[in-house]
Amino acid sequence: EVQLVESGGGLVQPGRSLKLSCLASGFTFSNYGMNWIRQAPGKGLEWVASISSSSSYIYYADTVKGRFTISRDNAKNTLYLQMTSLRSEDTALYYCARHSTMGITTPFDYWGQGVMVTVSS
Amino acid sequence: DIVLTQSPATLSVTPGESVSLSCRASQGISTSIHWYQQKSNESPRLLIKFASQSISGIPSRFSGSGSGTDFTLSINRVESEDFSVYYCQQSYSLPRTFGAGTKLELK
Repeated sequence: EVQLVESGGGLVQPGRSLKLSCLASGFTFSNYGMNWIRQAPGKGLEWVASISSSSSYIYYADTVKGRFTISRDNAKNTLYLQMTSLRSEDTALYYCARHSTMGITTPFDYWGQGVMVTVSS
Repeated sequence: DIVLTQSPATLSVTPGESVSLSCRASQGISTSIHWYQQKSNESPRLLIKFASQSISGIPSRFSGSGSGTDFTLSINRVESEDFSVYYCQQSYSLPRTFGAGTKLELK
């Protein structure tokens, strides 16, 4: 069974940093592209960042470019999102989601349960 | 960026009705559109990929159609478990974008 379990969220002050993790199981992690997607309270879905299976290709939404860094450790089956210079508008539920293939032009076929990040003083 | 416009924002139906949800792209995207269902307090679930391709484990009452700029998610005879929010998403170009969603609610 495919499982994606996020962790690392919490309450953080504006301007501070936070690192999210997503532990994958039930599939060969190194064969799939991965993503972070967020959802502000009561709002829709916003794609944040993508990383290909071997980390060769990495892309970001303009809203987080230069502040967030997506990475992965295939030996640990873990996806990361390092978030710096956090703003109130980054407050959201952050989902880890898998691409259906190793590329990043395919849909998100499995999602984690999400981890909440709240940016507030 | 490609803007996806979903309509209607809310659709009120009774169980047993058949419905169509629309997603219109701001430019042609071939069939690079995918549909997700999100029930309250749950993670999104992939329903249809590449406009019309079915997903294993998804009930056959869900189907998709369209290409270019106009896409439709159809639900044949809505069941009570189908009341949720539906999102379209494009994988044609970066950044990946989602529509604002259509809420399917009980009439």
